[in-house]
Amino acid sequence: QVQLVQSGAEVKKPGASVKVSCKASGYTFTSYDINWVRQATGQGLEWMGWMNPNSGNTGYAQKFQGRVTMTRNTSISTAYMELSSLRSEDTAVYYCARVGSGSYYDYWGQGTLVTVSS
Amino acid sequence: DIQMTQSPSTLSASVGDRVTITCRASQSISSWLAWYQQKPGKAPKLLIYKASSLESGVPSRFSGSGSGTEFTLTISSLQPDDFATYYCQQYNSFWTFGQGTKVEIK
Repeated sequence: QVQLVQSGAEVKKPGASVKVSCKASGYTFTSYDINWVRQATGQGLEWMGWMNPNSGNTGYAQKFQGRVTMTRNTSISTAYMELSSLRSEDTAVYYCARVGSGSYYDYWGQGTLVTVSS
Repeated sequence: DIQMTQSPSTLSASVGDRVTITCRASQSISSWLAWYQQKPGKAPKLLIYKASSLESGVPSRFSGSGSGTEFTLTISSLQPDDFATYYCQQYNSFWTFGQGTKVEIK
């Protein structure tokens, strides 16, 4: 069965960077794009960007341009999202999601809480 | 960027009620719209894709309709497990979510 398993919760200081991983199993990792979405406490879902695991091509929401980097390691079927210059407003749960053949999200990771606090 | 606007933000209803949530796109997205259900502390779950196609395993009391800029999610008879927050998502041009509709117990 398809699974996306994310890394554990992180606590970071303002100005630091965080790197969240998303390990895929149950399907061919390079056949489906991975997107990243975040959700601040009590707030809605915010799209951050996409990555094609086959080519490594990426696209980022304008809000995160210059601060976010999405990468992958195909040998271990894992996608990564790194966010730099963290500020308190970046405190949120970060999700990876698989983009199905129809371009909607058919599978999600369990989420990773990133807390930014001095 | 395509903006998605859901209404209402909160909806109070009772078990057995028929519930309708509306989602409007700032420009035409054809039928490239999905609906997700999210419960506290959990990842969203896909309910409907391509505006009206029911995801496998999702109860038939959920249905979606619309095209262009106006879409609806209907729950024909609200069940206890349906109290949750619902999000629409356009995938015509990148991806954008509505702000969510919380369905709570009346």
